[in-house]
Amino acid sequence: DSGVTQTPKHLITATGQRVTLRCSPRSGDLSVYWYQQSLDQGLQFLIHYYNGEERAKGNILERFSAQQFPDLHSELNLSSLELGDSALYFCASSVVVGRGYTFGSGTRLTVV
Amino acid sequence: GQQVMQIPQYQHVQEGEDFTTYCNSSTTLSNIQWYKQRPGGHPVFLIQLVKSGEVKKQKRLTFQFGEAKKNSSLHITATQTTDVGTYFCAGASNDYKLSFGAGTTVTVRA
Repeated sequence: DSGVTQTPKHLITATGQRVTLRCSPRSGDLSVYWYQQSLDQGLQFLIHYYNGEERAKGNILERFSAQQFPDLHSELNLSSLELGDSALYFCASSVVVGRGYTFGSGTRLTVV
Repeated sequence: GQQVMQIPQYQHVQEGEDFTTYCNSSTTLSNIQWYKQRPGGHPVFLIQLVKSGEVKKQKRLTFQFGEAKKNSSLHITATQTTDVGTYFCAGASNDYKLSFGAGTTVTVRA
């Protein structure tokens, strides 16, 4: 157990639907990062939150949004889902921005 | 924007042999990190290098940061089956945005 908790572990949904992925960072970590991992794309950075505020955005689609709550857990919302959104979505946290990340076990999203 | 290139993409190694994976950045990095992802698992942080020319060892793994802080390497000696997985380098820019390389996937022949 890495200390970063992601739920659910697996999610199967239909095209056009909306899902929410949840992440609880390791205790004491203020930064939360979201990454998408597809077979042919490697680890793609989506978004970074620090203590509730958005700090950086990567290649995140407009259909995707995220937030970090006062208790530091984060949610990634994916809407109008397409087949190509099927991927592993990882959340990671770190105590200091730019230091080593602790990854959760990921949510495997399958869009059918 | 910052790009981190990693080669080779695949490395097939005979058990007991050595191999090296390389990481190159288009820009100077503030630090570089290495992660390992076992099949079906999540990336696990291995190490961070910060200083120019820095070399760090973890048992059979040797990590090096280039003098110009634009490249790095991971050398594994006497490869074991436990080394199977994908090794990612990740370069941090001055604003600490981390860019991951595409990874080197290692398979080991017993």
